[in-house]
Amino acid sequence: DAKTTQPPSMDCAEGRAANLPCNHSTISGNEYVYWYRQIHSQGPQYIIHGLKNNETNEMASLIITEDRKSSTLILPHATLRDTAVYYCIVRVISGTYKYIFGTGTRLKVLA
Amino acid sequence: NAGVTQTPKFQVLKTGQSMTLQCAQDMNHNSMYWYRQDPGMGLRLIYYSASEGTTDKGEVPNGYNVSRLNKREFSLRLESAAPSQTSVYFCASSEAVDEQYFGPGTRLTVT
Repeated sequence: DAKTTQPPSMDCAEGRAANLPCNHSTISGNEYVYWYRQIHSQGPQYIIHGLKNNETNEMASLIITEDRKSSTLILPHATLRDTAVYYCIVRVISGTYKYIFGTGTRLKVLA
Repeated sequence: NAGVTQTPKFQVLKTGQSMTLQCAQDMNHNSMYWYRQDPGMGLRLIYYSASEGTTDKGEVPNGYNVSRLNKREFSLRLESAAPSQTSVYFCASSEAVDEQYFGPGTRLTVT
């Protein structure tokens, strides 16, 4: 699985969009980009995933660059409850059950 | 629908003691996983079970054994606990290679 690089921490004002970047320059054509978050010490929570098209669900949007070497997770209107560690993971969706979690980005939403 | 449950929530062991961490899921998922998370680190996969009756090693399997008791339950055993196994342990489940759902974690301290 390709390696990812994320900034260790970010701040965002409450109500503003939080844009969390992820670099995955060695991603292969059959690897998906997944995002999870971990609030405080709870178990990680799935947010969204995509292959090459932009994706949106009720929690967030995922923007993947055309060359697929980087992506951005967007929380459109961040709230204090979005304060968490966000993990970007790339993995092949078939034939493997393994995720490799890095150290993620610690997002702090400020009141 | 409780999702993924783990017992116990907290445990303190002395070096050399043994214990079993229990995990159960009620989502009828085929695949289950055990991770550990050390302070300030991402999650690392210990073992996983792609389907009932199968188990495979992850990144850090040494010192652990697992049992997939049935489709619902996946246990993790420490035969002779060591201080290096002090960690938070998370169980997760998924439908094949789809997104994973995590339990609340077990906080284990080995003295």
